[in-house]
Amino acid sequence: KNQVEQSPQSLIILEGKNCTLQCNYTVSPFSNLRWYKQDTGRGPVSLTIMTFSENTKSNGRYTATLDADTKQSSLHITASQLSDSASYICVVSASGGYNKLIFGAGTRLAVHP
Amino acid sequence: DAGVIQSPRHEVTEMGQEVTLRCKPISGHDYLFWYRQTMMRGLELLIYFNNNVPIDDSGMPEDRFSAKMPNASFSTLKIQPSEPRDSAVYFCASRLTSGSGGELFFGEGSRLTVL
Repeated sequence: KNQVEQSPQSLIILEGKNCTLQCNYTVSPFSNLRWYKQDTGRGPVSLTIMTFSENTKSNGRYTATLDADTKQSSLHITASQLSDSASYICVVSASGGYNKLIFGAGTRLAVHP
Repeated sequence: DAGVIQSPRHEVTEMGQEVTLRCKPISGHDYLFWYRQTMMRGLELLIYFNNNVPIDDSGMPEDRFSAKMPNASFSTLKIQPSEPRDSAVYFCASRLTSGSGGELFFGEGSRLTVL
């Protein structure tokens, strides 16, 4: 069964600290993996996309990694800011079309001053 | 571009009433998706369209739910009659067939509360 599991479920960190969010998937065959950021009361917005051949990709203070062998991805946030408080959703696309998306439950991150 | 536009942003209704949610996708996007988000189940795909044609509606929970896309710039999701368990945030998203690795562009959502 295709599944995406994220951990931790929620996380509280102090402003300026780093954190890492995890995503494990069992989707096969794999096409790509996206991280979305969802602010409270808003729709999700794509942060990064990782394809099979990519190990690391950065978007400002966000760095995503992918290990296709172990089927794990992580999202690292450097020097967190209050505006990073949001839910982060891992979405895996199965081969055969970008419409076969499997969503993780998300990690809710709270950055405190 | 204004992005995906949804209305209403908030809807409070009583059980048994009809609810219609509206969506305007990004101009030029040929795929449109309706998702439902709850705390318990996260984001769930309800139905998606390609070039205004419904492709997969297997996620529509019951016959009470229906969706239409009469043209490339407008779609509706209707619930009739509504029930308290339909309370959720409903998102519309659109994307292009190719490019950007299938990135979905979401609207701001319609928060539905059925009393």
